[in-house]
Amino acid sequence: EAGVAQSPRYKIIEKRQSVAFWCNPISGHATLYWYQQILGQGPKLLIQFQNNGVVDDSQLPKDRFSAERLKGVDSTLKIQPAKLEDSAVYLCASSLESRQGDGYTFGSGTRLTVV
Amino acid sequence: AQSVSQHNHHVILSEAASLELGCNYSYGGTVNLFWYVQYPGQHLQLLLKYFSGDPLVKGIKGFEAEFIKSKFSFNLRKPSVQWSDTAEYFCAVRGTGGFKTIFGAGTRLFVKA
Repeated sequence: EAGVAQSPRYKIIEKRQSVAFWCNPISGHATLYWYQQILGQGPKLLIQFQNNGVVDDSQLPKDRFSAERLKGVDSTLKIQPAKLEDSAVYLCASSLESRQGDGYTFGSGTRLTVV
Repeated sequence: AQSVSQHNHHVILSEAASLELGCNYSYGGTVNLFWYVQYPGQHLQLLLKYFSGDPLVKGIKGFEAEFIKSKFSFNLRKPSVQWSDTAEYFCAVRGTGGFKTIFGAGTRLFVKA
């Protein structure tokens, strides 16, 4: 099966600019996650979707980050305006459903550098 | 609140040495436990998972992990590592009452040929 697709792979922007990331999960996977992985740390959940509804966005900095999943398939994550501390790899993952025991399939990530 | 602690940030081993990576978690209820691996230049992949039943879980590439409930631990083991096991390993936990999966900070393993 095709994996989780993410684009772009790399992005360099100046602080205060905006940026958007795109994710296409595995076909049929109802649950989609966006994680932020700062260098030297483990992935941190930003937002979780079940189909096109938000399940958990408690750690999403809502003053600058937004995400949507239209039609329950593709998702976009946006940062506006970006700060230096947003430099990280943004990972998208999906799972068949959010039931217990399901592991995630991760995409390759988007490496964001804010200068 | 859930949390995951991985004891070693960096581990260096010679080929054929045995491996054990520590993972402890904090959560008051029933959990699902995972180990993910990230090989250089590749994306995170699921190595193995514990859902229920036998606390000794076997995964891909000869890895196994043992869930010890009384110690809140889920250590990863491999009896004989290979150079190709060089990667970063992440332990993760999800409480069965919720949906959020929490990851540890990761352990970077370097295997010398």
